Amino acid sequence: DAEITQSPRHKITETGRQVTLACHQTWNHNNMFWYRQDLGHGLRLIHYSYGVQDTNKGEVSDGYSVSRSNTEDLPLTLESAASSQTSVYFCASSTGHPRGEQFFGPGTRLTVL
Amino acid sequence: GQQVMQIPQYQHVQEGEDFTTYCNSSTTLSNIQWYKQRPGGHPVFLIQLVKSGEVKKQKRLTFQFGEAKKNSSLHITATQTTDVGTYFCAGYGNKLVFGAGTILRVKS
Repeated sequence: DAEITQSPRHKITETGRQVTLACHQTWNHNNMFWYRQDLGHGLRLIHYSYGVQDTNKGEVSDGYSVSRSNTEDLPLTLESAASSQTSVYFCASSTGHPRGEQFFGPGTRLTVL
Repeated sequence: GQQVMQIPQYQHVQEGEDFTTYCNSSTTLSNIQWYKQRPGGHPVFLIQLVKSGEVKKQKRLTFQFGEAKKNSSLHITATQTTDVGTYFCAGYGNKLVFGAGTILRVKS
């Protein structure tokens, strides 16, 4: 069955370290998204991609980067982790039309000490 | 920029009572989507509304999209313990923007 996976599911790191969160989908979806979820803020868009080699900044992109070298993967990198980036991170994908329903991965809980 | 406000932030109801969450956008939307997130889980798509004034039902859930396509609501009739979770609206203007969500707790 097609699915979307994230790894690791839990991560503890230290301030200043570079961290990469993986997202892999087998839906063959063109569109992929990264969100962070914090209490009281809902889901906030970090970066998104509408296809291979395409990346775009969301509303909270500072300190994060993504790259899209194939259809299946959109890794999220925290260049120099900060305590403010402690959060739950969700990856999502959607079909060809960007306005379509999004399928979410199980999430990664990141703690920055 | 586009903003989506959702109220209430929390709702604690007795099992069998009704529940409603409201969503308001600062801009006119192309569509609005609703998601449910169970405690410890990930958001799961419930429904999408596209047309002005549209009303859709899924069993005990009723979704409405306002005439001006700037607001929406989700109403649950006779809540059950399985309804617990956070309900998010997400409005598409030039991109999908999520509301902060309404946390629903149900007392049995």
